[in-house]
Amino acid sequence: AAGVIQSPRHLIKEKRETATLKCYPIPRHDTVYWYQQGPGQDPQFLISFYEKMQSDKGSIPDRFSAQQFSDYHSELNMSSLELGDSALYFCASSLANYEQYFGPGTRLTVT
Amino acid sequence: AQKITQTQPGMFVQEKEAVTLDCTYDTSDQSYGLFWYKQPSSGEMIFLIYQGSYDEQNATEGRYSLNFQKARKSANLVISASQLGDSAMYFCAMRAGAGGTSYGKLTFGQGTILTVHP
Repeated sequence: AAGVIQSPRHLIKEKRETATLKCYPIPRHDTVYWYQQGPGQDPQFLISFYEKMQSDKGSIPDRFSAQQFSDYHSELNMSSLELGDSALYFCASSLANYEQYFGPGTRLTVT
Repeated sequence: AQKITQTQPGMFVQEKEAVTLDCTYDTSDQSYGLFWYKQPSSGEMIFLIYQGSYDEQNATEGRYSLNFQKARKSANLVISASQLGDSAMYFCAMRAGAGGTSYGKLTFGQGTILTVHP
């Protein structure tokens, strides 16, 4: 069965640089979620999209923005990166708000 | 606001034995969903089991079962016949609202590290 695809899997950036993370949800899933998991922490919700419209927003810094495109893939854009942005970033998708299936994550390291 | 509490930072179990991972939750919503995820050391987040707040039967998926006690606001995960590959971090999570709605962010607990001994 198709799963959530995230790219890149690993990303190394320097402080103040920008990064773009991509997510391809499971086909026919209508909702995409982004989560941030810092080292040794539980995942924290950032933002979600339902049918390409932003549906909910969590503790997402103003330096971050996200959108969902007509083909349902989503991108998380991160600017002015800080050391504290180093984390595992997950994208998840669901159909009609039932089970959320997570992608493999993008491990971002900011140096 | 929702809150998930996992009070066991670490648990140990012998291979082939059963183990229960505790999870309590707090919410003012009448409709909600409860999830368990497994996160191996490789980092991916693997969906294990789901229980809706109106489901009368406890959810089961293979060796995983969810002991749902609504009045006590607990949703413990039971893993039967533990295997070495079960060693991982386990997260309990909650979603506000029923399935079929357009919102559904997950709130996670702190996680429990399970170690299975041979």
